[in-house]
Amino acid sequence: EDKVVQSPLSLVVHEGDTVTLNCSYEVTNFRSLLWYKQEKKAPTFLFMLTSSGIEKKSGRLSSILDKKELSSILNITATQTGDSAIYLCAVEGYNNNDMRFGAGTRLTVKP
Amino acid sequence: DGGITQSPKYLFRKEGQNVTLSCEQNLNHDAMYWYRQDPGQGLRLIYYSQIVNDFQKGDIAEGYSVSREKKESFPLTVTSAQKNPTAFYLCASNLEPRLNYGYTFGSGTRLTVV
Repeated sequence: EDKVVQSPLSLVVHEGDTVTLNCSYEVTNFRSLLWYKQEKKAPTFLFMLTSSGIEKKSGRLSSILDKKELSSILNITATQTGDSAIYLCAVEGYNNNDMRFGAGTRLTVKP
Repeated sequence: DGGITQSPKYLFRKEGQNVTLSCEQNLNHDAMYWYRQDPGQGLRLIYYSQIVNDFQKGDIAEGYSVSREKKESFPLTVTSAQKNPTAFYLCASNLEPRLNYGYTFGSGTRLTVV
């Protein structure tokens, strides 16, 4: 059965810290891995990763996929209080018609 | 602006009552999805539809029903058979074939049983 595991489930840091969020997966015929940020209501799209070893970057956020290890990391440098959110990882397989989500990592950034 | 609109934002259901959650999109997306979110469990798929007049069960379809009579609309009915309906419900859509931007989500409906 396809599954996605995120760690840690919860993380509290102070502004300026760097954090690394982890996502590991098992999916048949892997197609892509996606990261979302959920602050209050709707998740917003961050990254879609399909190729191993290619870093995607957006400002202070970056992510990379390791297909050999079946995992991905999301890095946030110089964290700000506005980064406080739940970060969701999801994977798609070619055989599936939807995404499989992990439980999310709740990040709290304290001033 | 294009997007997905879910209504209502908050909904209270009495025991034994059916309720319907609305999801409308003006993105011209073919595929639409309903997810349920419970604390510590991420998003779980209830139903999805890839084309008008067709829909498929997801992982937790029991106690729910949907219809897809129009491309823009994908309402979800939570029936009295759903024993634990209190949750946050998210509707999403995606253009097929998928482009490199992921899904678009609505703002959600929080359903509470009273």
